[in-house]
Amino acid sequence: EAQVTQNPRYLITVTGKKLTVTCSQNMNHEYMSWYRQDPGLGLRQIYYSMNVEVTDKGDVPEGYKVSRKEKRNFPLILESPSPNQTSLYFCASSDRGLAGYTFGSGTRLTVV
Amino acid sequence: AQSVSQHNHHVILSEAASLELGCNYSYGGTVNLFWYVQYPGQHLQLLLKYFSGDPLVKGIKGFEAEFIKSKFSFNLRKPSVQWSDTAEYFCAVNARYGGSQGNLIFGKGTKLSVKP
Repeated sequence: EAQVTQNPRYLITVTGKKLTVTCSQNMNHEYMSWYRQDPGLGLRQIYYSMNVEVTDKGDVPEGYKVSRKEKRNFPLILESPSPNQTSLYFCASSDRGLAGYTFGSGTRLTVV
Repeated sequence: AQSVSQHNHHVILSEAASLELGCNYSYGGTVNLFWYVQYPGQHLQLLLKYFSGDPLVKGIKGFEAEFIKSKFSFNLRKPSVQWSDTAEYFCAVNARYGGSQGNLIFGKGTKLSVKP
């Protein structure tokens, strides 16, 4: 089944403790992206990648890192999480810009 | 920079009423346009998309959208809503050409509540 898989689905962590949210797609898509969703703010793009080793900042990249060493994986790294990064995170992939993104099921992160 | 505006934060309709959700975008070049739907507790799903050609596009579940280039608008419509259409709807835009096609920008969303 074609899908974008994120892990974990839920995560509670403490301020400053490094964490990684994984994202994997099995559709051989070139494009991958991370969004955060907050009430009243919609979805805001954190980072996107248009191919292996090619990444670019979205609208809210501060406090996040990404890497794209393989086509299928696009992990999101929070080196020192803070409470304002409490949010619902979505990973997405697309074979190209015309097709729109296919979204994963989301990761609800709480930073205390 | 690209931006997307959705005019209504929350729309409440009765079943069988007609729906129109507004979306305007700001961008200096040629764009692709999308509408996504998010049912409660779920991830986003693509409803429909516009790249070129007929400005009236049809999507899944009886939704359609009309691209009006002169107004920079891409409004979503459905002639008769059902209770199951209760969800949040997001308009999105990206550049058709160039190195930023992966940069898909979303509006803030419109919550639709349909009363049975």
